[in-house]
Amino acid sequence: GENVEQHPSTLSVQEGDSAVIKCTYSDSASNYFPWYKQELGKGPQLIIDIRSNVGEKKDQRIAVTLNKTAKHFSLHITETQPEDSAVYFCAASKGYSTLTFGKGTMLLVSP
Amino acid sequence: DAGVIQSPRHEVTEMGQEVTLRCKPISGHNSLFWYRQTMMRGLELLIYFNNNVPIDDSGMPEDRFSAKMPNASFSTLKIQPSEPRDSAVYFCASRGQGASNQPQHFGDGTRLSIL
Repeated sequence: GENVEQHPSTLSVQEGDSAVIKCTYSDSASNYFPWYKQELGKGPQLIIDIRSNVGEKKDQRIAVTLNKTAKHFSLHITETQPEDSAVYFCAASKGYSTLTFGKGTMLLVSP
Repeated sequence: DAGVIQSPRHEVTEMGQEVTLRCKPISGHNSLFWYRQTMMRGLELLIYFNNNVPIDDSGMPEDRFSAKMPNASFSTLKIQPSEPRDSAVYFCASRGQGASNQPQHFGDGTRLSIL
């Protein structure tokens, strides 16, 4: 089955800096890659997703890049703010299958 | 739009008691997922339903766990008898129908503590 590795497990940045979280996947047939943000006491919330027919997608300060050849994808957050502090999860799936999640990255943005 | 609704938000009970967690998916969604989240194991898929039918329950830990989806707007996850190692946050998620690769939408979870 699919295996998703996520790094780093924790990331501390200063407000205004950029943050990058990286994930690798094992199944070359995977074609859908969502990112979720989980705040304390809440469920994971979808923040951006990308499908394998594109290499990059951007939504304001958040962008995701996908390298199908290397089987890795990354989340980029620019101009970080304290409210970006949360746990971020990457995931992968193919077709109608279930999602396989990474272990999560705890992002701390210090004012 | 109402999101996925889970109840209760918190449950504290003694070992051996029956626990029932409830989920109302987003209206119109035809897939429903139950997850368990712990620090040690992260997010684990327990079971998922498509059009109210269980498709994959390979993640259900043991026979003490059971899940039902009697109709498109309601699902339950039951643990009987409960054990301290079942303490975790349980999430329900739903997914819309149509094209493949639709995103899953999560509820805010039930934090379960078994004493």
